[in-house]
Amino acid sequence: DVKVTQSSRYLVKRTGEKVFLECVQDMDHENMFWYRQDPGLGLRLIYFSYDVKMKEKGDIPEGYSVSREKKERFSLILESASTNQTSMYLCASIPRGTGVTYEQYFGPGTRLTVT
Amino acid sequence: DAKTTQPTSMDCAEGRAANLPCNHSTISGNEYVYWYRQIHSQGPQYIIHGLKNNETNEMASLIITEDRKSSTLILPHATLRDTAVYYCIVTTGNQFYFGTGTSLTVIP
Repeated sequence: DVKVTQSSRYLVKRTGEKVFLECVQDMDHENMFWYRQDPGLGLRLIYFSYDVKMKEKGDIPEGYSVSREKKERFSLILESASTNQTSMYLCASIPRGTGVTYEQYFGPGTRLTVT
Repeated sequence: DAKTTQPTSMDCAEGRAANLPCNHSTISGNEYVYWYRQIHSQGPQYIIHGLKNNETNEMASLIITEDRKSSTLILPHATLRDTAVYYCIVTTGNQFYFGTGTSLTVIP
């Protein structure tokens, strides 16, 4: 079974802190994604990566950066956390499509509260 | 930008079929229709996907109209554990736009 793990289920940080959210997948997937989920807004894509050291902006990248130094690990960084970044953060991975599409596997999520 | 339109919420009686509609009028020829669901406090879970033909697996059936502009997810015998938010997504397979989905409540 594909396993996508996230470093924390719950996290509380103060405004202005630098925050690292870690995601690890164990199925050698090329593509990895970071989403945030807020009530009434659904899941919104922050960043994605289709290979090591590669990254692409999603729909809402402002205030975030990412790092993909190893294939299995995709980190989301909040350079200076703000209260409007309080949210549920979900990581996902999928093998690179080759004309046949696959399902996207999600981690359990990290609920981040910025005070 | 949203590529799909779904009702915000629906109810279904336990044991009956749940039919969840989705409009995707701007779908491209190489885009698939995916369905995911999210049970409270968990990450989204894959249900089914299709391109043109109707599809069935152990969880659900997917009916895609001939013009591909809409589809319906069918849960044949809904149980209380099917209460969740259901997302319809159109994608070529590398990016997924989830939107707000349909909140399905299965009523005892």
